[in-house]
Amino acid sequence: GAVVSQHPSRVICKSGTSVKIECRSLDFQATTMFWYRQFPKKSLMLMATSNEGSKATYEQGVEKDKFLINHASLTLSTLTVTSAHPEDSSFYICSAFSGNSVEQFFGPGTRLTVL
Amino acid sequence: DAKTTQPNSMESNEEEPVHLPCNHSTISGTDYIHWYRQLPSQGPEYVIHGLTSNVNNRMASLAIAEDRKSSTLILHRATLRDAAVYYCILSTGANIKLTFGKGITLSVRP
Repeated sequence: GAVVSQHPSRVICKSGTSVKIECRSLDFQATTMFWYRQFPKKSLMLMATSNEGSKATYEQGVEKDKFLINHASLTLSTLTVTSAHPEDSSFYICSAFSGNSVEQFFGPGTRLTVL
Repeated sequence: DAKTTQPNSMESNEEEPVHLPCNHSTISGTDYIHWYRQLPSQGPEYVIHGLTSNVNNRMASLAIAEDRKSSTLILHRATLRDAAVYYCILSTGANIKLTFGKGITLSVRP
């Protein structure tokens, strides 16, 4: 199946710093990428939908100025958590959609810990 | 989006078949039924999807009730690696967003 990578896999940062997470589709072009957040023992919550070359669409309650999403190419989307605080500590997961089937391909996730 | 209901958890024995149920009584005619699974500390993985007819692939089978108000994911021979949270999700054909519920946690006994 298609492969989606995320970098970094794990990051620890100090409160107030910004963290960038990359999501790449390695062997296909992704017309749409999605960003999710998952707290311990909870389900995935969709944060935003990202289409290449256009502004991301954020879900209700997700601050667009805090979670900056850039989808500059058909194989790369980035999520920047600005001025991170301990409550932003979570497992961030991206998925990519090629448009060739209904299947979404998920990245392995990035575990963010804010001290 | 139409909602799905799954049991919280299920246990199975290794090398035995597993039937994971999902209720979706408010499903509309254009809703696809998707199944994804998530192993611990990993991103979700696509398992199977269907619309009206039963579907088979190398991972599993999907049995869809005639009225489409329920479906069952069938793992033909459970292995320890199948222990995961399985999510049953509906999406309308034109809307590719996936809304994850709580899923069902499958435990596999050796």
